[in-house]
Amino acid sequence: AQSVAQPEDQVNVAEGNPLTVKCTYSVSGNPYLFWYVQYPNRGLQFLLKYITGDNLVKGSYGFEAEFNKSQTSFHLKKPSALVSDSALYFCAVREGGNTPLVFGKGTRLSVIA
Amino acid sequence: DAGVIQSPRHEVTEMGQEVTLRCKPISGHDYLFWYRQTMMRGLELLIYFNNNVPIDDSGMPEDRFSAKMPNASFSTLKIQPSEPRDSAVYFCASSLLGAEGQAFFGQGTRLTVV
Repeated sequence: AQSVAQPEDQVNVAEGNPLTVKCTYSVSGNPYLFWYVQYPNRGLQFLLKYITGDNLVKGSYGFEAEFNKSQTSFHLKKPSALVSDSALYFCAVREGGNTPLVFGKGTRLSVIA
Repeated sequence: DAGVIQSPRHEVTEMGQEVTLRCKPISGHDYLFWYRQTMMRGLELLIYFNNNVPIDDSGMPEDRFSAKMPNASFSTLKIQPSEPRDSAVYFCASSLLGAEGQAFFGQGTRLTVV
């Protein structure tokens, strides 16, 4: 069965600095990987996804993620953090076919001015 | 499209009462998912439907929970009787056929059982 691990419950970064939110996954086949963001009292919003092709995926709000098959990772990155990026970030994986997304527990990102 | 619509946004009920949560998926989407979010357990998949048919309900915690999808534009999640430990945010999401399709989430229903 597929699973996702987000090893950090909380990430703190200063505004303007680069940020990384970590994600590792486990699937038996080819992974379909997603990042979502949740702002307070809101639903999850899609940021980006990796299906196939280039390992570096660009998404909304200047975020990008790098798929690394050998390390089974899909870390979310942004070159310069904004205070408005502060939110809860979820990594998710689907093993293929028409299976539901399996989510990690989430990482709370705090960007400090 | 207005996106996935859930109602109510907030629900406070007394232990033992029946609670019904509602969801309208995005038109044309053929998958519908119910998730529950708590601090302790994160996001848990409760049940999902394909073309209105329940595919996997193994995540439904107890027989007190039931879900229906009578047509392509409406689904309900019912808890009867409710208990304080059911307090959580319940999300509905919908997606199109295919592994590449990302799920679109509603804004959630915050349920408090006192």
